[in-house]
Amino acid sequence: NAGVMQNPRHLVRRRGQEARLRCSPMKGHSHVYWYRQLPEEGLKFMVYLQKENIIDESGMPKERFSAEFPKEGPSILRIQQVVRGDSAAYFCASSPPGGAYQAFFGQGTRLTVV
Amino acid sequence: QQQVKQSPQSLIVQKGGISIINCAYENTAFDYFPWYQQFPGKGPALLIAIRPDVSEKKEGRFTISFNKSAKQFSLHIMDSQPGDSATYFCAASRIGGGSNYKLTFGKGTLLTVNP
Repeated sequence: NAGVMQNPRHLVRRRGQEARLRCSPMKGHSHVYWYRQLPEEGLKFMVYLQKENIIDESGMPKERFSAEFPKEGPSILRIQQVVRGDSAAYFCASSPPGGAYQAFFGQGTRLTVV
Repeated sequence: QQQVKQSPQSLIVQKGGISIINCAYENTAFDYFPWYQQFPGKGPALLIAIRPDVSEKKEGRFTISFNKSAKQFSLHIMDSQPGDSATYFCAASRIGGGSNYKLTFGKGTLLTVNP
């Protein structure tokens, strides 16, 4: 049973480019959460999605960030026009319905903006 | 506003010693307190968790102590081993509330266990 799969593991983007981060949840999990980890900081909640629905995006920056979880395929976190401050580790977690507090985390995508 | 405060930021312990990491929370609505272990380059992994209806939970060498009145909880690692060297995060959530999917994390403690 594969865990939560994130790709790419490392992503380098120049300022102004777009970053696309992918997350495939564990088998049987229909709920996905994205967290951001800045250097020397804990993880911060960004967004909670179910298939084809954004449930809570209260932790997402208002501009340049978007997330989706289509009926088919992985969840995508998209960052447009990246800036240096977007450099961080982005973690995806997944859970079955009702088990959000015991979500399993992926290994993360380390985004570096140069 | 940081809702979960974690200390110390880093900790060095000798093999066989006891590692103690402390967390304090502000939101009295929190009712689920997990600890996560993160190795370099990996995602956080759930280590142990506690609900406020008990004051202590033990799993192997790992123990959570919980003090509801002080709004504090701590992780004790007995007989610490070099393989325990990792970053530990405390977190808090509301199982019973409408936001039961959100985990609020502390800033983490980098534990180094010397052989």
